[in-house]
Amino acid sequence: AQKVTQAQTEISVVEKEDVTLDCVYETRDTTYYLFWYKQPPSGELVFLIRRNSFDEQNEISGRYSWNFQKSTSSFNFTITASQVVDSAVYFCALNKDGQNFVFGPGTRLSVLP
Amino acid sequence: DAGITQSPRHKVTETGTPVTLRCHQTENHRYMYWYRQDPGHGLRLIHYSYGVKDTDKGEVSDGYSVSRSKTEDFLLTLESATSSQTSVYFCAIRSGTSFNEQYFGPGTRLTVT
Repeated sequence: AQKVTQAQTEISVVEKEDVTLDCVYETRDTTYYLFWYKQPPSGELVFLIRRNSFDEQNEISGRYSWNFQKSTSSFNFTITASQVVDSAVYFCALNKDGQNFVFGPGTRLSVLP
Repeated sequence: DAGITQSPRHKVTETGTPVTLRCHQTENHRYMYWYRQDPGHGLRLIHYSYGVKDTDKGEVSDGYSVSRSKTEDFLLTLESATSSQTSVYFCAIRSGTSFNEQYFGPGTRLTVT
């Protein structure tokens, strides 16, 4: 069975602080895909990144970076120099075939001015 | 923008009444999904479709039915709404460079009183 854990229910930081959102997953598949989605207060779900299980390179996109470590089954998301607009619920998700997505419960990030 | 719309966006209904939610997409995607989002659970798959008239159950399908009579529309029906079906419902399509990403509609907030 597949499972995604986001142990941090809520995080609060002050603007310009760096913040890391944790994601730990469980799967028996050797090929799988990991995702992060952002849900701002307006409610829509925004796709941020997909990572394949056979590519452990970290990725950086502007202030966002992702650290994928198969040895610890983790796919953590770091926001550098956080901004108020980063306030949202962030979901980590896992699937093996594009079909059966398993989502974590989400982490609510509040960035205070 | 994955060209997905959902209607209605908000609905309040009474226990025992039937409710149908509509998902409409304009880009000829074959795969479509219905999820519900509840606090502490992330998103959970209700039903999905892999083509016209081809549907299958997800993790939380009890009390829900779906229909897909044409590619662009995927309908979710609550035959007799219950308070436990109060939730936010998201439709998604499958796409992406490796065809294993999902993109979501804006959501429908359903309240059953």
